[in-house]
Order: sequence, then structure tokens, then C-alpha cells
Amino acid sequence: DTEVTQTPKHLVMGMTNKKSLKCEQHMGHRAMYWYKQKAKKPPELMFVYSYEKLSINESVPSRFSPECPNSSLLNLHLHALQPEDSALYLCASSQPGQSYEQYFGPGTRLTVT
Amino acid sequence: KQEVTQIPAALSVPEGENLVLNCSFTDSAIYNLQWFRQDPGKGLTSLLLIQSSQREQTSGRLNASLDKSSGRSTLYIAASQPGDSATYLCAVEETSGSRLTFGEGTQLTVNP
Repeated sequence: DTEVTQTPKHLVMGMTNKKSLKCEQHMGHRAMYWYKQKAKKPPELMFVYSYEKLSINESVPSRFSPECPNSSLLNLHLHALQPEDSALYLCASSQPGQSYEQYFGPGTRLTVT
Repeated sequence: KQEVTQIPAALSVPEGENLVLNCSFTDSAIYNLQWFRQDPGKGLTSLLLIQSSQREQTSGRLNASLDKSSGRSTLYIAASQPGDSATYLCAVEETSGSRLTFGEGTQLTVNP
């Protein structure tokens, strides 16, 4: 099974809402990633978790809060977002220490109104 | 800072044509290079991964090559089909379990 799942597929939220994006993989990968992708642009890395510890934070605003509760799950908590945060949010996983692909989920399309 | 460039930005070809997509990167100290396909509004599908010690990888009609010293990779698609229409992204990873740096992509259209 080489699948990364993400829920929800679509999310519309107001600027005062709190919501969470969820990502799950059962490939035994110990590195998980959040990327943000704007229309017609490549994905940009936000966070990397390696062995459930945050290893990279690409200076992401604090209104985005990642969480890795276990080796299979990755959450992205959203609070007080801005309309410019509307984008496709992609989760990926890989196995650190070996040259394996990063596998991507289908993404969550987020719209902030 | 690693920069990845893909040429051309867009390509339109008739069905059956063989084609080459190009990717270049500025820092040759890479761990691996990965080619992805992305359909509109969808996630990324991994096509091929080339480790830094390898020169090429093949999967079906796809062949990817890597020349690390010159900072170049190519993706060769044989006998293109309309179903190949998508955006193709090249990405380099500098160390294991770290960021992928993506190119801007090549938008491919294969006309029936």
C-alpha cells in the first residue's frame, strides 16, 4: 500500500475559524511533510517531521500549527487564517535514511473567506 | 540556495510523438532527484526517482537520466498519449528526509 490519505478534500473556513487538516499513511514511513501549493506554482515545503519530531519549520506563520501524534498521523491545525492562505495543502511521507520516494496525498483544497 | 529550473514551461505535441522534458539544478550536491506528474487540482504522483549515484531510471514509456556534475536531468516520454497530458515536476532532495526543491513544472498537452 503506497497510499497517503488526506481529509477533508475541500475546506472552506472564515478568518476566525479553527480547523484541522489530517494526513495518514500506513507505509511505515517515519518522515512526514506538509507542503503548500498555490495555483500554477510548485509545492513549497512548510514542515517536516522525522521520527515524530519537528525537524524543519520553513518560517511558517504561527497560525499554522503542525502536530504528529504518532508515526502514521500528521495534523495541521489552522487558526485565524488569511485569504492569501487559500491553497492546496499537500501531505507527503518517506522513509528517512534511505533513498525512497516521497509519496504525496491528494491534498486538501482550502479556501479562506 | 538550491534552484531548480524546468524547460520548456509548456509543451504541446501530437499523439505518438517522443518528447524530452528538461530539468536543471544549481547545486550538484543532491541526494536524489524525483520526477512527478500532477493532474489539475490533484496531488503529485511519483514517476521516477534517481539516486545521486545512478545515471538513469526507466518505467514503461518513461526514462529519466541524471548528470549530477552538470546539474541536469531529462525525462523522456516515448510514444506520447493524450492521457500523458499533465504538469510534470522535477524535484531535488539534498539530504535524506529533508525538503524537496521543485522546479516550476512543464505543462504537457498531448493532442489526439
